[in-house]
Amino acid sequence: SQKIEQNSEALNIQEGKTATLTCNYTNYSPAYLQWYRQDPGRGPVFLLLIRENEKEKRKERLKVTFDTTLKQSLFHITASQPADSATYLCALDNQAGTALIFGKGTTLSVSS
Amino acid sequence: DTAVSQTPKYLVTQMGNDKSIKCEQNLGHDTMYWYKQDSKKFLKIMFSYNNKELIINETVPNRFSPKSPDKAHLNLHINSLELGDSAVYFCASSNGLAGGQETQYFGPGTRLLVL
Repeated sequence: SQKIEQNSEALNIQEGKTATLTCNYTNYSPAYLQWYRQDPGRGPVFLLLIRENEKEKRKERLKVTFDTTLKQSLFHITASQPADSATYLCALDNQAGTALIFGKGTTLSVSS
Repeated sequence: DTAVSQTPKYLVTQMGNDKSIKCEQNLGHDTMYWYKQDSKKFLKIMFSYNNKELIINETVPNRFSPKSPDKAHLNLHINSLELGDSAVYFCASSNGLAGGQETQYFGPGTRLLVL
């Protein structure tokens, strides 16, 4: 069955630095990968979607890469700010292409 | 305007009771979902519906029964509540068919506590 791992449960960085979050997957090759942000007490909010034939996607200070050989996605936040503190969820489509499977998330804390 | 709304926001109830959670989306989407997020924050798909038809039922106990009266609504009824049902339940919607190619829009969640 599909397995998704986000490398760490928590990541602490200083304001202004680049945060890099990792999402690894095994046992299949998803066609799409998405990243969501979840703040405490709220529902996840979509950030970026990347397709298997795309190496990289950018949106403002956010960048996502998708390496289908390594079966890994990296999510970068440049010039991080305390307001970026949240839990970031990686999600892949399942083998049937009928649902999103979510990782457990990485909680990012940006200190000023 | 709220895109995906859920009621109630909080639900505290006794074991063995039956309860319902309602979800509505005003985005005009064809597909709606129910997810369960447990105490370890793991978000897991339970059901998805496309145009009122069940697409996915991810090995959820029969005590959970989704109902979609129209494509803007997907309600979740839970019978004989158990302690392990305590979690946050999220409704979501997306355009087109279910799957990873579509962005999902989540509701604010319903926090269920079974005593």
